[in-house]
Amino acid sequence: AQTVTQSQPEMSVQEAETVTLSCTYDTSESDYYLFWYKQPPSRQMILVIRQEAYKQQNATENRFSVNFQKAAKSFSLKISDSQLGDAAMYFCASPTPAQGGSEKLVFGKGTKLTVNP
Amino acid sequence: DADVTQTPRNRITKTGKRIMLECSQTKGHDRMYWYRQDPGLGLRLIYYSFDVKDINKGEISDGYSVSRQAQAKFSLSLESAIPNQTALYFCATSVHSGSPTGELFFGEGSRLTVL
Repeated sequence: AQTVTQSQPEMSVQEAETVTLSCTYDTSESDYYLFWYKQPPSRQMILVIRQEAYKQQNATENRFSVNFQKAAKSFSLKISDSQLGDAAMYFCASPTPAQGGSEKLVFGKGTKLTVNP
Repeated sequence: DADVTQTPRNRITKTGKRIMLECSQTKGHDRMYWYRQDPGLGLRLIYYSFDVKDINKGEISDGYSVSRQAQAKFSLSLESAIPNQTALYFCATSVHSGSPTGELFFGEGSRLTVL
């Protein structure tokens, strides 16, 4: 079974500092998207950022950016200028083959981020 | 109103009871999914459906069944609930735009407790 590994169950960062959450994945797909989702205490799943695997340029969304290393199958999330509202569970997701030649998403176990004032 | 709506949001039930979690969406997406979230285990796929006539098992389908009543509705049933099915359940949708699979849009989750 193809897997997504988030090696840091918990991380903490000081407000205004930068933190990087790691993710490695294992997919046999050649063309795919990778995703980071955020789950605050409200439990809503919110898309943070998406990376297209065929694009060499790392995706950025305001204070959020990724370091995508396709050959190493690594997809880390960097949060700059951390804010209290960034405190949440963060999940990495990558595709795995599904029925009919399509794909479905597999999620990592998550990293709980604490932001200290 | 939410684009992906799950009911109930919270439910407490007893072992052996039949439970149905319902999901409806107004996004017009073909694809719908049921995931289960447990602390320390992330989200695991229970069932998925790429259209009304297509239903597939995910990695943890034992003890669950689903029904795709219409493009917009996808229900998850626990025929005889057991305590280890206590979890947070998410319905999600995605648009079929060909390969690769794009973003999942999630409902707000249904927290189920089986006593």
